[in-house]
Amino acid sequence: DTGVSQNPRHKITKRGQNVTFRCDPISEHNRLYWYRQTLGQGPEFLTYFQNEAQLEKSRLLSDRFSAERPKGSFSTLEIQRTEQGDSAMYLCASSLAYGATGELFFGEGSRLTVL
Amino acid sequence: AQSVTQPDIHITVSEGASLELRCNYSYGATPYLFWYVQSPGQGLQLLLKYFSGDTLVQGIKGFEAEFKRSQSSFNLRKPSVHWSDAAEYFCAVVKTLSGGYNKLIFGAGTRLAVHP
Repeated sequence: DTGVSQNPRHKITKRGQNVTFRCDPISEHNRLYWYRQTLGQGPEFLTYFQNEAQLEKSRLLSDRFSAERPKGSFSTLEIQRTEQGDSAMYLCASSLAYGATGELFFGEGSRLTVL
Repeated sequence: AQSVTQPDIHITVSEGASLELRCNYSYGATPYLFWYVQSPGQGLQLLLKYFSGDTLVQGIKGFEAEFKRSQSSFNLRKPSVHWSDAAEYFCAVVKTLSGGYNKLIFGAGTRLAVHP
């Protein structure tokens, strides 16, 4: 068990550029979540996958954001035409699908800075 | 709608002192509640969780929390704080979505500083 892995850990980009983050969940976990955390705030839910199916998307996920989990394993979160307001920590979490009590295991996050 | 309030944005305690971090939730049914800790630049680590049964739950690193339905609270406590406990602490409640799966709703967090 190597835990949830996220890459890159830090990304600095200029406004208008596209960025992509990758998340590798714990291998046997079929649920995968993306959260966004801004300074001084708790994590906010962005989207959820069960296996390869994206089952829930937050209103926070504008049309510039897209997430995929093509084979039900790793996931990518792409932000197109980045804006300064996109600067945040993007957290990935995974869990086993056994009801509402499943613990979420978080990665260390990918910090995005948009200049 | 489910929500979590952590009234204290920042708390400072002396090493060795006791600690209580407050958490209030809003939820219609019996909530599933969690406390997570986040060290600077790190992801979130689960401290403890409450699903049902005994309202006093024990967690890792010497933390405990007590579920009080009458007060809609799930406060985190530690009898003697260590300098390594300095971090940000998040309370969270599970929201079950229409497909039967769930997501966590987090509070804004409490940042703990520990004086030597």
